[in-house]
Amino acid sequence: QQPVQSPQAVILREGEDAVINCSSSKALYSVHWYRQKHGEAPVFLMILLKGGEQKGHEKISASFNEKKQQSSLYLTASQLSYSGTYFCGTDPLIQGAQKLVFGQGTRLTINP
Amino acid sequence: GAGVSQSPRYKVAKRGQDVALRCDPISGHVSLFWYQQALGQGPEFLTYFQNEAQLDKSGLPSDRFFAERPEGSVSTLKIQRTQQEDSAVYLCASSLMGRVVDEKLFFGSGTQLSVL
Repeated sequence: QQPVQSPQAVILREGEDAVINCSSSKALYSVHWYRQKHGEAPVFLMILLKGGEQKGHEKISASFNEKKQQSSLYLTASQLSYSGTYFCGTDPLIQGAQKLVFGQGTRLTINP
Repeated sequence: GAGVSQSPRYKVAKRGQDVALRCDPISGHVSLFWYQQALGQGPEFLTYFQNEAQLDKSGLPSDRFFAERPEGSVSTLKIQRTQQEDSAVYLCASSLMGRVVDEKLFFGSGTQLSVL
């Protein structure tokens, strides 16, 4: 049930682009993205709902393909502040269930 | 307060001791969640409250884990007879209404529990 993220880790130079993928074996209604810096709280980035919409947040955007049960997070012209671990969270599409199931994370390191 | 507050920030316990972890959610948030995060892993769901009602405790690993939110605000996660495998960061999150599908979670910084 846990979504699978890829890659597990990425190392970039400042200004480079990255794509983080999130894949589920279960049907999804929504995909959530969070970023967590070491020793800090996960911070919300965005939610994508069923419908294949793409959302943006500064230079960070994401897409959701519910047919493929996949979501991708796009980071363009990466900044040092983008470093951290990115988690996707999926809802289990079980009526009444109110919980997110998170992937194992993708660690992103941005070097100057 | 402005965000979700958790205390203590760090807790060291001897195996077999009981511990209590506190979460103070954002004022007015109806829903409260507890997650367990092992080193290098994503958060794993433990339990969920809507106001004072515990609606889902399917993620609690054993009957040694107990959570409460008696007045619908502050919550306490209690672990009895701690074991080494309980060592992890325990994250608390709150949301305004608890409609997980389209509502963001606000996380606290967590309590890092180390059981020796």
